[in-house]
Amino acid sequence: NAGVMQNPRHLVRRRGQEARLRCSPMKGHSHVYWYRQLPEEGLKFMVYLQKENIIDESGMPKERFSAEFPKEGPSILRIQQVVRGDSAAYFCASSPGLQDEQYFGPGTRLTVT
Amino acid sequence: AQSVTQLGSHVSVSEGALVLLRCNYSSSVPPYLFWYVQYPNQGLQLLLKYTTGATLVKGINGFEAEFKKSETSFHLTKPSAHMSDAAEYFCAVSDGNQGGKLIFGQGTELSVKP
Repeated sequence: NAGVMQNPRHLVRRRGQEARLRCSPMKGHSHVYWYRQLPEEGLKFMVYLQKENIIDESGMPKERFSAEFPKEGPSILRIQQVVRGDSAAYFCASSPGLQDEQYFGPGTRLTVT
Repeated sequence: AQSVTQLGSHVSVSEGALVLLRCNYSSSVPPYLFWYVQYPNQGLQLLLKYTTGATLVKGINGFEAEFKKSETSFHLTKPSAHMSDAAEYFCAVSDGNQGGKLIFGQGTELSVKP
């Protein structure tokens, strides 16, 4: 059973471009979480999704950030018009149910130049 | 609102010595508590978790943690450090009623000296 997959592992974008980060949860997992880790900081919750539904987006910046988890395919975290402050490691986690352990992917390291 | 405080951003121990990483939490409801380890340029791996029941929790790689409600603490210990334990350690709290999202502490970097 493959673990949580994230791609790309490293992404470089110029200011103003769009970044798309992908997360494929573990097989059988229908709950997906996105977290952001800024340099020298802990992980901050961004958004929690189930298939086709956003359950909790209380940690998402109000502008430029969006997330989806379609019926088919990976979950996508989209950042429009990136700025230098968006440079961070973005981690995805999945779980089979609400109360279950979250399994983390290896992360996508976004660098905005 | 829930929060986690990890005392000490850097901890250094000698190989074979006791490891103690401190974590205090704040929660208005019974918490679920977790310790994760992160090796450089990798994702997080669960070491152990407390949900209900026994307050002394044993995890992988010889780590354990004790939930102390009166002290709102969940400190991580290992009797004898190994070089391979050098990593970043994160304490986290979850309120299952809020969808299981994890609130993380700032992290503690553990160094192990030979």
